[in-house]
Formats: sequence, C-alpha cells, structure tokens
Amino acid sequence: GDSVTQMEGPVTLSEEAFLTINCTYTATGYPSLFWYVQYPGEGLQLLLKATKADDKGSNKGFEATYRKETTSFHLEKGSVQVSDSAVYFCALSMRWGGSEKLVFGKGTKLTVNP
Amino acid sequence: KAGVTQTPRYLIKTRGQQVTLSCSPISGHRSVSWYQQTPGQGLQFLFEYFSETQRNKGNFPGRFSGRQFSNSRSEMNVSTLELGDSALYLCASSQGTSADTQYFGPGTRLTVL
Repeated sequence: GDSVTQMEGPVTLSEEAFLTINCTYTATGYPSLFWYVQYPGEGLQLLLKATKADDKGSNKGFEATYRKETTSFHLEKGSVQVSDSAVYFCALSMRWGGSEKLVFGKGTKLTVNP
Repeated sequence: KAGVTQTPRYLIKTRGQQVTLSCSPISGHRSVSWYQQTPGQGLQFLFEYFSETQRNKGNFPGRFSGRQFSNSRSEMNVSTLELGDSALYLCASSQGTSADTQYFGPGTRLTVL
C-alpha cells in the first residue's frame, strides 16, 4: 500500500544552521505531497504542499521539491530559528474510495538551540 | 475565516465508558476527516464524512463511529473505552474535492484510565 518514510529524529541544530529532513514515499499513481508541522500541545499546521512532479512548495523559508524520479519530498531550510522547534510530518494524499486520505510518516522532532 | 475547532480539548475517562468528541470545520468545508495520533502508531486515519455520509473508513474496530450533521459539524464516538484508546484525536476539514488540502484542528487529548 501507499506509505511515507521520513528520517527518524530527533534532530538537534544550532540557530542559523541548515536543515534537511528526508522524506520518501511509495504510491500508486500521482499523489499530492505535504509537510505538516506540529508545535507542542497543538494540532497539525500545513507547512507546504506540492501537487505534481517538479513542483516546489515553499513557506516561511522552508522548501520541498516533488521528485518523481526519486519518489522524494525532502524538507529544507537555509537558516533555522529557535521558533522552528517542532515535530515535522511528511504526508501524501491518496485517492481512496472517492475521497482523499492522508498517509503520514512517523514524524521528525526538531530542536533548535540558541 | 475561523479555523477548525474541536471540543473538548482534554478528556479523562475510565475503561468501559463511552465518549463523544466534536469537530466544527472551516466555514464552507463539507468534508471532515478524523485521525488518531499515538506515540506508537503515529497518525492513523479513522474515517471521513462528506455531506453527512461516511465516504471512507480506516482499519479501526466498530467501537469507533462517527456522524456528520447538515451544517458539516461532525462527532466521533468511541464506546467501551480501552486503555489503548488514549490518544490525541485530530479532525481535519476540507472542501472535499480531489487533491484538496486538509486543515487540522487542535485536537482532543483523550486519556483512558
């Protein structure tokens, strides 16, 4: 079945460091791909998305490119801040029985130290 | 626009009881999906409602049920609670069309003692 694999954390970085969180997927067809972020005690917030191959999603300095050839959607940010500390989830949206269902990776916890 | 709201935010129940959680979607959204988040299993899809009809259901026992009202608000019910039902329950709303984005609420934290 469809699945998402993302790098296990936790990831600890210093402020202004470069961030990469790897995400690969297995899917039949052409899913949409998402990154969601979850801050402590909160629900999920959509960070960015891409709906077709070679699309680049970006938001708040984060970027990810939909790579069909490598089935990947890696999250990057050039300079992280303490406020970026959160859990990041990669997800794909699959068409299932007439509706869309999100399939999530396990999540990667990021801690950014000042 | 107001975001997705969920009530209550926290709930403590004992084994064998039943519980009802509520979700109000973003205005204009007709689809509501429910997910269970646990440390061991991560985020798992429970079911999705669209225009008061369940369109899809995940791999959960029949103790988990839901419904949607004509104003798109949705409720989720869990009967005969087990310790393993302790989780964060998230609902997400969308317009319900293909490749639409789902927007999540803050979740209800259920603890079963």
